[in-house]
Amino acid sequence: QKEVEQNSGPLSVPEGAIASLNCTYSDRGSQSFFWYRQYSGKSPELIMSIYSNGDKEDGRFTAQLNKASQYVSLLIRDSQPSDSATYLCAVNYGQNRDDKIIFGKGTRLHILP
Amino acid sequence: NAGVTQTPKFQVLKTGQSMTLQCAQDMNHNSMYWYRQDPGMGLRLIYYSASEGTTDKGEVPNGYNVSRLNKREFSLRLESAAPSQTSVYFCASSEALQGSNEQFFGPGTRLTVL
Repeated sequence: QKEVEQNSGPLSVPEGAIASLNCTYSDRGSQSFFWYRQYSGKSPELIMSIYSNGDKEDGRFTAQLNKASQYVSLLIRDSQPSDSATYLCAVNYGQNRDDKIIFGKGTRLHILP
Repeated sequence: NAGVTQTPKFQVLKTGQSMTLQCAQDMNHNSMYWYRQDPGMGLRLIYYSASEGTTDKGEVPNGYNVSRLNKREFSLRLESAAPSQTSVYFCASSEALQGSNEQFFGPGTRLTVL
């Protein structure tokens, strides 16, 4: 059973601090990793993709991937109240174009003003 | 460029009624997906279509059927709705390049089955 695990939270972080969100996955064959943000009542929105070990930065967001330890994380610097949302980790198993994504259940992030 | 669109936004059905959820994308993507999202369960794949003319079952296909009408459109049909199908339904599409699968979601349909 391929699984993606996330702490459900809520994770409370003061405004201006760094929010750290973590995700582990079960299958070493995973090739692609994604972070989605979902505001309450809205659809998931892709914010980061990462495909190789190391860090990938995009504005205030940094995705970190460690395939040996099978975890992927998302750092949000200078957290803002508008970052309050549920963050979904997603993992694409395999290399075929029709491979499916497995989503974690999400971590609720609350930025404290 | 609307991205992924879904209709209707909200729907209330009685047990045993049927309905079709519509999805269309204007990004020329090959692959399309239908998910349901329930509290505490996360996003679960119902059906997907890797390309025009093909469809495959996902994790929770029972009680649903799909049609990939053309490259743009992918519909989800509930033949005889049950209260257990009360959920939020999302359609997504992706280019599904080798080794990647960035998916883009529609706004969702909130379905209640009484």
